[in-house]
Amino acid sequence: AQKITQTQPGMFVQEKEAVTLDCTYDTSDPSYGLFWYKQPSSGEMIFLIYQGSYDQQNATEGRYSLNFQKARKSANLVISASQLGDSAMYFCAMREGLGDTDKLIFGTGTRLQVFP
Amino acid sequence: DVKVTQSSRYLVKRTGEKVFLECVQDMDHENMFWYRQDPGLGLRLIYFSYDVKMKEKGDIPEGYSVSREKKERFSLILESASTNQTSMYLCASSFLGGLGRYTNEQFFGPGTRLTVL
Repeated sequence: AQKITQTQPGMFVQEKEAVTLDCTYDTSDPSYGLFWYKQPSSGEMIFLIYQGSYDQQNATEGRYSLNFQKARKSANLVISASQLGDSAMYFCAMREGLGDTDKLIFGTGTRLQVFP
Repeated sequence: DVKVTQSSRYLVKRTGEKVFLECVQDMDHENMFWYRQDPGLGLRLIYFSYDVKMKEKGDIPEGYSVSREKKERFSLILESASTNQTSMYLCASSFLGGLGRYTNEQFFGPGTRLTVL
């Protein structure tokens, strides 16, 4: 079974609109962390936001927020006020356990295109 | 700023050649990782290392080996390159977990796009 599932291969959004990128995960470990990375066409992976499994509040970083629904095992990325520079691949990833492993499991990614 | 560098952005090799991909990080990170990225498959872990001379297999180690002689450098080796190893290769590094660092995110290099003919 897939540990990280991103069901949207591609998404389009108009500039200045909000967009939600979906991510569901599967783990039996009560301790885990969820990450979102952005990969522009240049290829480098850029860390955006992190949510720990014990965090009481949803993570936010500027225009990025994470809609964390633990019971549903979903960790959707919300980008508010989209900009043309947000066009990129977006990857959701999970780290299982706290400190005993640093490996990340990645989803297959969502390509976001922002149009004027 | 954390800097992870990779020796080449683009590389073209012939089937059967021995290929070395080099990765260097300047943040004194204990962990280093090699991934390959293919369309529709996301990033898959090939090998990782949590200390000098230590290595552990990831999800797809077949056809690859690694070397970590110095803390800052992690090399990926294709002993005999094959066409199915044509891919984007990404190196990453991070601190060792469990040391009080909250997110402990991985920092990535720019990637090497390898073509094997």
